Amino acid sequence: NAGVTQTPKFRVLKTGQSMTLLCAQDMNHEYMYWYRQDPGMGLRLIHYSVGEGTTAKGEVPDGYNVSRLKKQNFLLGLESAAPSQTSVYFCASSTRGQGANQPQHFGDGTRLSIL
Amino acid sequence: AQSVAQPEDQVNVAEGNPLTVKCTYSVSGNPYLFWYVQYPNRGLQFLLKYITGDNLVKGSYGFEAEFNKSQTSFHLKKPSALVSDSALYFCAVRDSGYALNFGKGTSLLVTP
Repeated sequence: NAGVTQTPKFRVLKTGQSMTLLCAQDMNHEYMYWYRQDPGMGLRLIHYSVGEGTTAKGEVPDGYNVSRLKKQNFLLGLESAAPSQTSVYFCASSTRGQGANQPQHFGDGTRLSIL
Repeated sequence: AQSVAQPEDQVNVAEGNPLTVKCTYSVSGNPYLFWYVQYPNRGLQFLLKYITGDNLVKGSYGFEAEFNKSQTSFHLKKPSALVSDSALYFCAVRDSGYALNFGKGTSLLVTP
């Protein structure tokens, strides 16, 4: 099982460039999430989705957009990259079964540097 | 808002000794608490969770956690540490919606 797959694994951008991070899961999970991880700050939720076609803002949504056109995919977009968005980005998914307390399954992250 | 705090940035323990990684929580209502582990250059892996029931929760890789309502704590424990347990450990609490609020993480170093 692939689980949660993130592409790309590494990327370097210049300020002002745009890009899309792709997350794909093969576990038929309903819920998907995007987090960013910065040193000493743990993980912070950017956006999440509770189903195909639905998205919601998390703790730090500014500067990011997301789309969930297919159940298995959750895309994170940076329209105009800024150095403050240099981070490691993690996608996660979880099943809806037995409520919202199911464990989240994480991808291995995308390391993004904005110069 | 639901939140957790991990008071220690780093915990050092010798192999074979018991280990404890601390977590305290602040919630309104019933807490739904989780522990995750992160190895270098990898995503987080689920270890265990407390939803309701027994205060001692057993999880993966020999880890367990003790829920203490009076002290609002959910400490992660293992009776005998292994060098391979060295990693970054995160405590988390379920938010009012579907997401998790994570602590800042505790780096565990187990020395031979």
